[in-house]
Amino acid sequence: GAGVSQSPSNKVTEKGKDVELRCDPISGHTALYWYRQRLGQGLEFLIYFQGNSAPDKSGLPSDRFSAERTGESVSTLTIQRTQQEDSAVYLCASSRGQWRVQYFGPGTRLTVT
Amino acid sequence: GNSVTQMEGPVTLSEEAFLTINCTYTATGYPSLFWYVQYPGEGLQLLLKATKADDKGSNKGFEATYRKETTSFHLEKGSVQVSDSAVYFCALSESYGQNFVFGPGTRLSVLP
Repeated sequence: GAGVSQSPSNKVTEKGKDVELRCDPISGHTALYWYRQRLGQGLEFLIYFQGNSAPDKSGLPSDRFSAERTGESVSTLTIQRTQQEDSAVYLCASSRGQWRVQYFGPGTRLTVT
Repeated sequence: GNSVTQMEGPVTLSEEAFLTINCTYTATGYPSLFWYVQYPGEGLQLLLKATKADDKGSNKGFEATYRKETTSFHLEKGSVQVSDSAVYFCALSESYGQNFVFGPGTRLSVLP
């Protein structure tokens, strides 16, 4: 597609449920990033993929968070047993290479009630 | 580790005022520097970038010069408009090792 797409755009879930967020990067972009942005705050790095492997998982907040990428394309971020503090906008970005310009998707707004 | 520091907001200006948003960085190597902008209700967009010392990035009337001696990349615009109201993020990317590091963002409000 023309840009990075994310789905769903909004997700409301009950505390304790699992959620899966999807990111479709720009075709041909080898690098893919996940960030979290809490209301009124900056970007919090979560994880980075180069191809299908994740050399940097240092930002994942807890073992409830996991991510995978397949076919050097779509990526899913899974949050298990969601907590209210997980409520945020989850942003995905892709780039041609590790240190190239990142193009961001519109984000998924997650609300945990 | 690498880090980016931005001036705290919010910054409130009148239309046609001069804008400066300060950004300084710490990096182990020789990073590329970026300014991203997030308009209300929208995703982040690249505003401008610079990849080496003394490079000047420019776009939409905004400019920033990569100053290695002061490790700075301050964003400037000569005459802001109401439509420039947004959150501005300074960021760096290192060629080796670590990925992007974003600053905390500076919220700009321009009043008519």
